[in-house]
Amino acid sequence: AQSVTQPDIHITVSEGASLELRCNYSYGATPYLFWYVQSPGQGLQLLLKYFSGDTLVQGIKGFEAEFKRSQSSFNLRKPSVHWSDAAEYFCAVGPNTGFQKLVFGTGTRLLVSP
Amino acid sequence: GAGVSQSPSNKVTEKGKDVELRCDPISGHTALYWYRQSLGQGLEFLIYFQGNSAPDKSGLPSDRFSAERTGGSVSTLTIQRTQQEDSAVYLCASSYEALNNYGYTFGSGTRLTVV
Repeated sequence: AQSVTQPDIHITVSEGASLELRCNYSYGATPYLFWYVQSPGQGLQLLLKYFSGDTLVQGIKGFEAEFKRSQSSFNLRKPSVHWSDAAEYFCAVGPNTGFQKLVFGTGTRLLVSP
Repeated sequence: GAGVSQSPSNKVTEKGKDVELRCDPISGHTALYWYRQSLGQGLEFLIYFQGNSAPDKSGLPSDRFSAERTGGSVSTLTIQRTQQEDSAVYLCASSYEALNNYGYTFGSGTRLTVV
């Protein structure tokens, strides 16, 4: 069965420090992978996606993620966190052909300390 | 429209009452999805529409839940005889085609509270 694991429920990072949010997936084929961000009271916004090719993908707001097939991981990174990055982050996986629903992780809440 | 619009943004209802949640997708988006987000949980898939038909409704939790889409546009999610466990944020998303490489655009959600 498809599943996504985000092992960290909460993470606190100092402003200006680097960030890595973990995502591991279980999927029977080469998946499409996504990171979404949800600010309080808002819908989800797509940060970046991986379909194929270069395993390091760049997204909006200075985020990047690296697909590691051998580790079934798609970790999200940012070199220097800003206070406005405080939000909840969701990793999602879906098939690379046709439609099937995206499967989401339970999210990681990022807190940014001064 | 410019984005996915959901209404109402907040809904408080008494247990046992019926509620309707509305989603207005981006114009031209043929695929529409409903997800539910409960406190401390990830997003739970409910149903997907391609045009007016629903090829996958496997996530609807019970027969109290139903959804329809008309004119390939607006969708309504109806919950009958609401229960407290139905309290959640209901998110709607749309995409140009029912292919994951287009990605979803989400609405801001409807927060449903059953008292």
